[in-house]
Amino acid sequence: GENVEQHPSTLSVQEGDSAVIKCTYSDSASNYFPWYKQELGKRPQLIIDIRSNVGEKKDQRIAVTLNKTAKHFSLHITETQPEDSAVYFCAASITMDSSYKLIFGSGTRLLVRP
Amino acid sequence: NAGVTQTPKFQVLKTGQSMTLQCAQDMNHEYMSWYRQDPGMGLRLIHYSVGAGITDQGEVPNGYNVSRSTTEDFPLRLLSAAPSQTSVYFCASSSQGFGTEAFFGQGTRLTVV
Repeated sequence: GENVEQHPSTLSVQEGDSAVIKCTYSDSASNYFPWYKQELGKRPQLIIDIRSNVGEKKDQRIAVTLNKTAKHFSLHITETQPEDSAVYFCAASITMDSSYKLIFGSGTRLLVRP
Repeated sequence: NAGVTQTPKFQVLKTGQSMTLQCAQDMNHEYMSWYRQDPGMGLRLIHYSVGAGITDQGEVPNGYNVSRSTTEDFPLRLLSAAPSQTSVYFCASSSQGFGTEAFFGQGTRLTVV
């Protein structure tokens, strides 16, 4: 079955620095890779996603890259701000016939120090 | 537009008790799923459904039952609660198809004593 590994589990950066979170997936049939942000006590919310036919996607200070050959994808946050502090989850999904399954990584707790 | 609504928000159960966590969405989404969130374990898929009358097991289905009689509702049943089921439970929904955003409910914090 699909397995998603995420690293690091915790990440502390100085405000203004960049943060990178990496994920690997096991099933080569995975075709959609979203990233979710979860603030303390809140529900996860989508921040960016990428599909398997795209290598990179950027939205203001956040970007995601995908390497299908190596089966890994990464989240890049530039010019980090204290409000970026949260838990970030990567996920990978497989669409098979009429079925769709979304599997998450174990999460990265990002702390941005002012 | 309420999105995905879960009830209750908090629940304490005794070992062996049963209960149903409710999940309803008003976005006419075909796909619904249940996750549990434990420290250091991320979000683990319990069960999911691609439409009314269709359910399937996720990564950690043991101890949980689901049914999908309508598009809107996807309840999660714990038949005999165990302390290992202490967790935060999230319901999510998305429209059917490739690469669509999953919308989460606000979560249910369940403690089994």
